[in-house]
Amino acid sequence: KAGVTQTPRYLIKTRGQQVTLSCSPISGHRSVSWYQQTPGQGLQFLFEYFSETQRNKGNFPGRFSGRQFSNSRSEMNVSTLELGDSALYLCASRLDRGTDTQYFGPGTRLTVL
Amino acid sequence: GNSVTQMEGPVTLSEEAFLTINCTYTATGYPSLFWYVQYPGEGLQLLLKATKADDKGSNKGFEATYRKETTSFHLEKGSVQVSDSAVYFCALSEIGTGANNLFFGTGTRLTVIP
Repeated sequence: KAGVTQTPRYLIKTRGQQVTLSCSPISGHRSVSWYQQTPGQGLQFLFEYFSETQRNKGNFPGRFSGRQFSNSRSEMNVSTLELGDSALYLCASRLDRGTDTQYFGPGTRLTVL
Repeated sequence: GNSVTQMEGPVTLSEEAFLTINCTYTATGYPSLFWYVQYPGEGLQLLLKATKADDKGSNKGFEATYRKETTSFHLEKGSVQVSDSAVYFCALSEIGTGANNLFFGTGTRLTVIP
């Protein structure tokens, strides 16, 4: 079974732009979560989607948003990029919200110049 | 609230040495506990997990025991290899609560030298 896939793997943007990252979960998994990883803040939870609805949200500004499609694929969007948004963005999937184990994709490395 | 405190790194060991990475947690209920590993340039891979007190998770020679009395989940391996060089993250989640996301420790970088 294929793992979690994320596209693109690398992105370079400039301040003020917006960006969309994509995540395809493991087949059959219906819950998708996003995490941000930075050297300073470590791994922080952004949000979780299940059945096309945001179910849980971390402490990030409204510039960070996401959505989930009927096939469970998810996208996250960051608008008005700031230098501090440079990070590795990780997507994780699990069977459903009652499953404890999450499986991670390889991440998208975003660099904001 | 939920939090994970992890042993500061980096840790440098010779091949075949014994490894311990300490992890303690704070949780409001009865969390599941995890160790994830991150190799350079990659995402997180689940290494092992335990879902209740006294459970032992194990994989690839690594072990960790869920100790409720000490709120700990220390990672151990009897004989490390160069290929174990990576960053290790301890994490918890509480299924059934509104916030059932993963809470991570800061990570411990392990370097194994031949």
